[in-house]
Amino acid sequence: QSVLTQPPSVSGAPGQRVTVSCTGTSSNIGAGYDVHWYQHLPGTAPKLLIYANTNRPSGVPDRFSASKSGTSASLAITWLQAEDEADYYCQSYDRSLSVSVFGGGTKLTVL
Amino acid sequence: QVQLLESGPGLVKASETLSLTCIVSGDAISSYYWTWIRQPPGMGLQWIGYVYYNGRTNYNPSLKSRVTISVDTSKNQFSLKLSSVTAADTAFYYCARSIAVADHWFDPWGQGTLVTVSS
Repeated sequence: QSVLTQPPSVSGAPGQRVTVSCTGTSSNIGAGYDVHWYQHLPGTAPKLLIYANTNRPSGVPDRFSASKSGTSASLAITWLQAEDEADYYCQSYDRSLSVSVFGGGTKLTVL
Repeated sequence: QVQLLESGPGLVKASETLSLTCIVSGDAISSYYWTWIRQPPGMGLQWIGYVYYNGRTNYNPSLKSRVTISVDTSKNQFSLKLSSVTAADTAFYYCARSIAVADHWFDPWGQGTLVTVSS
């Protein structure tokens, strides 16, 4: 069971907007630690999508955005495209466990 | 552009030691933290630990007694050893880089390698 909680799956039609939630506790996200997001296609290297809560690395389209509030964070994908179909993971740090922690992953299906 | 590539046996017998290497290309291994992360099939990601370029390490407490991560700056690579493996250690193993620790992000990652523990 993952320390950060994500919905197992989300879906949307091309052109729509979807969001992926990431819920933590007062030991991780709620303690002020940054949240990062990754996109993963099985068989490939996971790709950094968002770092430090809201920042996009160079090359990541601005269709991807994220936010953080309290003990939760959220990834939003607008203008959904078929190529966005992948698994998405959030990551933070847990001070009680003294480890980097991840969400269980959310599979995005583009209908 | 930095690239990471994991290599090592895909099959390890139970009770033996899992050994993987991550070869770093496109940049020197110095001044960064080099991390191992794993994902059992159908399960979430688990941070295993890191080694700093100077050899300093930090491990996940749940694995600490069995894990050794080392760095070889002359070969621009770092390695993972996990002893006394069981079926629970069957997973995709990824190497990754970060420029700081605690809540810093991992970028880039290797494509991962599946290690299966056989009984």
